[in-house]
Amino acid sequence: GENVEQHPSTLSVQEGDSAVIKCTYSDSASNYFPWYKQELGKGSQLIIDIRSNVGEKKDQRIAVTLNKTAKHFSLHITETQPEDSAVYFCAAGVEYGNKLVFGAGTILRVKS
Amino acid sequence: NAGVTQTPKFQVLKTGQSMTLQCAQDMNHNSMYWYRQDPGMGLRLIYYSASEGTTDKGEVPNGYNVSRLNKREFSLRLESAAPSQTSVYFCASRWQAGREQFFGPGTRLTVL
Repeated sequence: GENVEQHPSTLSVQEGDSAVIKCTYSDSASNYFPWYKQELGKGSQLIIDIRSNVGEKKDQRIAVTLNKTAKHFSLHITETQPEDSAVYFCAAGVEYGNKLVFGAGTILRVKS
Repeated sequence: NAGVTQTPKFQVLKTGQSMTLQCAQDMNHNSMYWYRQDPGMGLRLIYYSASEGTTDKGEVPNGYNVSRLNKREFSLRLESAAPSQTSVYFCASRWQAGREQFFGPGTRLTVL
């Protein structure tokens, strides 16, 4: 089955700096890679996703890149703000499928 | 729209006790999910229901049962709780033709 590894487990950045979180996956059948943000005491919320036929996707300060050959994908947050502080989860699965496999999570702290 | 709601928010059980975690969504979603979240392990799928009347095992189903009561409600039952089931439990739902899973706020369960 699918296995997703996520690094780093914690990341501290200064406000205004960039943050990068990396994930690798094992199952070449996976074609859908979402990123979820979990704020303290809340459920996770989708912030961006990418499908395997696309190499990069951007949404304002957030971008995701995918390298299918190497089976890794990354989340990039530019101009970080204190409200970006949260736990971020990557996931891999089949688009419109029911079995997303999540990474262990990254605690991002943005220091002001 | 309340989105995905979960009850209770917190629960403490003794080993061997039983309980049911409730989940409801008001978005007319077909698919519903139960995850558990443990430190350093991300979100792991316990059971899911692709549509009303169907349920399937996820990655970690042992010790749990589920019921898809109707399209809105999906409950998770622990028949004989064990300390290893201490976790935060999240319910999620997804529209059949959509990719995003919408998460509830979670139930923090402690088994003594």
